[in-house]
Amino acid sequence: RKEVEQDPGPFNVPEGATVAFNCTYSNSASQSFFWYRQDCRKEPKLLMSVYSSGNEDGRFTAQLNRASQYISLLIRDSKLSDSATYLCAVNPSGNQGGKLIFGQGTELSVKP
Amino acid sequence: GEEVAQTPKHLVRGEGQKAKLYCAPIKGHSYVFWYQQVLKNEFKFLISFQNENVFDETGMPKERFSAKCLPNSPCSLEIQATKLEDSAVYFCASSQGDAQDTQYFGPGTRLTVL
Repeated sequence: RKEVEQDPGPFNVPEGATVAFNCTYSNSASQSFFWYRQDCRKEPKLLMSVYSSGNEDGRFTAQLNRASQYISLLIRDSKLSDSATYLCAVNPSGNQGGKLIFGQGTELSVKP
Repeated sequence: GEEVAQTPKHLVRGEGQKAKLYCAPIKGHSYVFWYQQVLKNEFKFLISFQNENVFDETGMPKERFSAKCLPNSPCSLEIQATKLEDSAVYFCASSQGDAQDTQYFGPGTRLTVL
């Protein structure tokens, strides 16, 4: 079993749709969680850090469920520009300076 | 600087040649990380530094790969005697080492081994 696993893609959705991605992690000691966005093999860009209480940034909402060991990302009112690969990342060590373990990424394609 | 800088953008090497990649972290960040991304989105952690010191090298192949972060110089990742399977994009990231410890990535170096 991989340390971090994501929903298989691709997700093909129309503009305006709501789409949700899940990501499970195996190490219960993990403390830091992130969603990154990657376009066409460019560098991952931070989309959101994921906090215990959940957090929202405009159309994006991230949730953490420690009991079930998963994080989620909800995108509302999706735009063409949201088309990208979404990567969840976990610092399994719980320590500062710890490496990130990435999921395999979920590809999102938003169509007109 | 305010962004992680990586050079070169592209690097082409014949099998058996040496490859050297460079990374300048964001100013004030004390941690530097190297990741390898081969084909479809599989990121592999290679090594990390806390300032000039190796912090975690559990991902580094024992042979052929080495890395350094020296004072007042860009960090470097060197591959001796490259192999075809080393073809990948190599990303460098840096972080402040604060409570949230977010890592910010550079644009990557695409290494092609022929």
